[in-house]
Amino acid sequence: GDSVTQTEGQVALSEEDFLTIHCNYSASGYPALFWYVQYPGEGPQFLFRASRDKEKGSSRGFEATYDKGTTSFHLRKASVQESDSAVYYCALGDHGNYAQGLTFGLGTRVSVFP
Amino acid sequence: GALVYQYPRRTICKSGTSMRMECQAVGFQATSVAWYRQSPQKTFELIALSTVNSAIKYEQNFTQEKFPISHPNLSFSSMTVLNAYLEDRGLYLCGAREGTVSGNTLYFGEGSRLIVV
Repeated sequence: GDSVTQTEGQVALSEEDFLTIHCNYSASGYPALFWYVQYPGEGPQFLFRASRDKEKGSSRGFEATYDKGTTSFHLRKASVQESDSAVYYCALGDHGNYAQGLTFGLGTRVSVFP
Repeated sequence: GALVYQYPRRTICKSGTSMRMECQAVGFQATSVAWYRQSPQKTFELIALSTVNSAIKYEQNFTQEKFPISHPNLSFSSMTVLNAYLEDRGLYLCGAREGTVSGNTLYFGEGSRLIVV
């Protein structure tokens, strides 16, 4: 079945550091890729998505580029703030198939210290 | 924007009793709703996906007898956890999608946390 692998389980950074979270996927078809962020006590919030090879998604200073060749969708942010501390989830879904849910990675806990 | 409200936010129930949770989509029409359970051990487990005017599709290890779902219209869905036991603890999330403009993006509510004692 489809799967998403996030390499980093936890990341600790200082403010203004560069953030990278690695996400690789395995899917039989040509999936849409997503990033979600979850703050303590809240549900996951949609950050952005990308639907085709080389497409870049971005929101709130975060960005990721769909790379079909390396089956990756790595999340990056140039300068993190303490308010970016949260758990980030990479997910995939079948294009145009609304009869399926999304498959999520295990998440990466990001802690940003002042 | 697309908003999803879930309630109750938290329920403490005795082992063997049931809990009903509700999900309301505001600002868009929820043509399909995915119910997930989130736990520290298993991150996101998809329970079922409900599409208006179609049969509800349950994932392996989840059944209608245990997790009955109702999705009567394009703004509301509910799910009940029947005969809850310790292994049913977790944060139950409702993710709704509009299905056309936003593609298959799911917008989640805050979750309904089930605590079983």
